[in-house]
Amino acid sequence: GQQVMQIPQYQHVQEGEDFTTYCNSSTTLSNIQWYKQRPGGHPVFLIQLVKSGEVKKQKRLTFQFGEAKKNSSLHITATQTTDVGTYFCAGPDQSGNTPLVFGKGTRLSVIA
Amino acid sequence: KAGVTQTPRYLIKTRGQQVTLSCSPISGHRSVSWYQQTPGQGLQFLFEYFSETQRNKGNFPGRFSGRQFSNSRSEMNVSTLELGDSALYLCASSIWSETEAFFGQGTRLTVV
Repeated sequence: GQQVMQIPQYQHVQEGEDFTTYCNSSTTLSNIQWYKQRPGGHPVFLIQLVKSGEVKKQKRLTFQFGEAKKNSSLHITATQTTDVGTYFCAGPDQSGNTPLVFGKGTRLSVIA
Repeated sequence: KAGVTQTPRYLIKTRGQQVTLSCSPISGHRSVSWYQQTPGQGLQFLFEYFSETQRNKGNFPGRFSGRQFSNSRSEMNVSTLELGDSALYLCASSIWSETEAFFGQGTRLTVV
């Protein structure tokens, strides 16, 4: 079935350093979505990318959708302690077996 | 507008018992999906309901079941609870299956 892989699984950074997580799908996606889950919380929708090569920014967060629409990245500039959490990417299941296929997430720790 | 509401927030049950969890989606959202989240396992898809019909079911035993009512509220039931069922159960609502998902705060189930 369709798989969505995320790397790295964990990332520890010093506050102020940059952070990037990568998402790769085994199939072409019609869109890619990103979610953030704070420790003890629930996933919260961040953004959706639809177009090939699309780049969107939210303050210090930059999201990219690959030209082939099979990969995506989330880059955080100058991390802050408020960025701590697990970042998930998700894409529609082309086979229709599930509404969305989620990656396993990248857990970000920020050391002050 | 109100978000996704899940009740109860916490549950402690004994092995062999059954449990029913409730989810009220965002008004106007017709798709409700359920996920199981355990440490290190990411989001495991349980099932999706759309307009009172189960559209998809994940790879879980028949002890896990659900339904959706005409007002889009959904319930999931787990019978004959096992220790391994201890997890955070998340409900997500969306307008359509592939659109962004809005998660509830989850129900944390502990089976002892």
